[in-house]
Amino acid sequence: DAKTTQPTSMDCAEGRAANLPCNHSTISGNEYVYWYRQIHSQGPQYIIHGLKNNETNEMASLIITEDRKSSTLILPHATLRDTAVYYCITSTGNQFYFGTGTSLTVIP
Amino acid sequence: GAVVSQHPSWVICKSGTSVKIECRSLDFQATTMFWYRQFPKQSLMLMATSNEGSKATYEQGVEKDKFLINHASLTLSTLTVTSAHPEDSSFYICSARAGLGRRQHEQYFGPGTRLTVT
Repeated sequence: DAKTTQPTSMDCAEGRAANLPCNHSTISGNEYVYWYRQIHSQGPQYIIHGLKNNETNEMASLIITEDRKSSTLILPHATLRDTAVYYCITSTGNQFYFGTGTSLTVIP
Repeated sequence: GAVVSQHPSWVICKSGTSVKIECRSLDFQATTMFWYRQFPKQSLMLMATSNEGSKATYEQGVEKDKFLINHASLTLSTLTVTSAHPEDSSFYICSARAGLGRRQHEQYFGPGTRLTVT
């Protein structure tokens, strides 16, 4: 079963930063926080993952709280192509149990 | 990111027939592959985990005799839906994990296969 909770939906203005929260209060010490997104009728796309430290790559930044019970995915400059369902998953790297995710709509 | 392919991308079959879906990791060796199913407007549901050269581990409620999984090489896993019924119509997605090296904790997904059983 999924061990994360996310808001069902969010809107973001094009060009603005999109901040997507995720709660994972039961995360274990050896579990990573992963973020994926899924555009309609496609396979999920890897975005970023982290263990304790904040991470940044060409797509996004991941901010993990010190107690690791929550995290935020930041898309710094949202574009219309970022409209998708975003999934936050905690895992040791083996099985992924997807929750319902956040449906992000980027508005022109 | 790493590339995972699936074939076919969509398939229509008659009730009672079997359908095989292939999942390939194109630019890395996948020690572990996973199969998911997704119904319309729902999230992905993990069906099974397969490690190269060994039997797949199925999630609770997934019939292993109906969904046959073979992971014969480090780049190929197959899912065969046997005696398909209309309720098996779904979007089937595989993912692959390298398990070694810099990307050992990353999992890459295929584009999915749309199965329609008539």
